[in-house]
Amino acid sequence: GENVEQHPSTLSVQEGDSAVIKCTYSDSASNYFPWYKQELGKRPQLIIDIRSNVGEKKDQRIAVTLNKTAKHFSLHITETQPEDSAVYFCAASSANSGYALNFGKGTSLLVTP
Amino acid sequence: DTAVSQTPKYLVTQMGNDKSIKCEQNLGHDTMYWYKQDSKKFLKIMFSYNNKELIINETVPNRFSPKSPDKAHLNLHINSLELGDSAVYFCASSHGDRGGYTFGSGTRLTVV
Repeated sequence: GENVEQHPSTLSVQEGDSAVIKCTYSDSASNYFPWYKQELGKRPQLIIDIRSNVGEKKDQRIAVTLNKTAKHFSLHITETQPEDSAVYFCAASSANSGYALNFGKGTSLLVTP
Repeated sequence: DTAVSQTPKYLVTQMGNDKSIKCEQNLGHDTMYWYKQDSKKFLKIMFSYNNKELIINETVPNRFSPKSPDKAHLNLHINSLELGDSAVYFCASSHGDRGGYTFGSGTRLTVV
């Protein structure tokens, strides 16, 4: 089955700096790669996603890049703010997985003022 | 108007009991899922149902039995609860491979 590795497990940045979280996946059939933000006690919330026919996608301060050949994708957050502090999860899915999301183990991001 | 709703939000029960968690979506999605998030925050797929049919069962003990009476509902029944079943269980739905993934608010199950 699909195996998604995510790094780092914790990340601390100062307000205004950029944050980068990286993930790798194992199943070459995976074609959908969402990123979720989860605040304490809340449900995971989709922040951005990318499909395998696209190399990069941007939404304001958030961008995701995908390298299909290397099987890795990354989340970039620019101009970080304290409210960006949360746990971030990457995921991958394919028809092989019944469209289920296989998650990385999460990155706890702390943005200090 | 909640998109994916699951009940109850909290569930505290003794070891050995049987309990159910209900999930309903009003998004018209054809695929529904159950995920387990353990104390280390790892999110892991348990089951995936497409049009009421089981697609995947990810090495979940057979004490866990999902039931999908129709496309809008996927309930989770757990028999003989164990301490290790304590976790947050999330229901989710999507349009198959077209995404639109939406999670419910979670059910925090505590087995004592």
